[in-house]
Amino acid sequence: GNSVTQMEGPVTLSEEAFLTINCTYTATGYPSLFWYVQYPGEGLQLLLKATKADDKGSNKGFEATYRKETTSFHLEKGSVQVSDSAVYFCALAWAGTALIFGKGTTLSVSS
Amino acid sequence: SQTIHQWPATLVQPVGSPLSLECTVEGTSNPNLYWYRQAAGRGLQLLFYSVGIGQISSEVPQNLSASRPQDRQFILSSKKLLLSDSGFYLCAWVIQGGQTEAFFGQGTRLTVV
Repeated sequence: GNSVTQMEGPVTLSEEAFLTINCTYTATGYPSLFWYVQYPGEGLQLLLKATKADDKGSNKGFEATYRKETTSFHLEKGSVQVSDSAVYFCALAWAGTALIFGKGTTLSVSS
Repeated sequence: SQTIHQWPATLVQPVGSPLSLECTVEGTSNPNLYWYRQAAGRGLQLLFYSVGIGQISSEVPQNLSASRPQDRQFILSSKKLLLSDSGFYLCAWVIQGGQTEAFFGQGTRLTVV
């Protein structure tokens, strides 16, 4: 069945460090891929998405590229800020199913 | 604009008491609505989804139930809460198709004591 696997956290970085959060997926067909962010005490917000192979989603300095050959959608940011501290969820959706989420990765950025 | 409302934000309930969480959507008709639970270390677990009034699909057998009494209203309920029902509950509205995307409510932090 469809599933999402993302790296376990917590990820602890200093401000301005480079961030990578790995995400791989298993799905039949061609799912849409997403990254959601959850700030402390809040619900989830869409961070970025990609709907087909080789698409790059980007927002707020974050990027992720849909790699069909490696079934991956890794999240990257060149220089993290303290305000990026949050939980990040990778997700996929395909052919009318609900969104399927990874377990989430907690990012903590210190100044 | 399209918005989703969920309440209450926090709730502390004793074991054995009933539960009712409400979610409403504005700015759309016939939405697909979902309830997720987020437990520590377990990510987001899909509990129920509904594609229309009176239509409920359950993903995980549990102590909870859901109802869709109106097009834009989705309710999560329990007759008798268990300690294991504690968690963060999220209602979501999913737009499906070529541009599938989900919008989430602010969540309800439920603590069963």
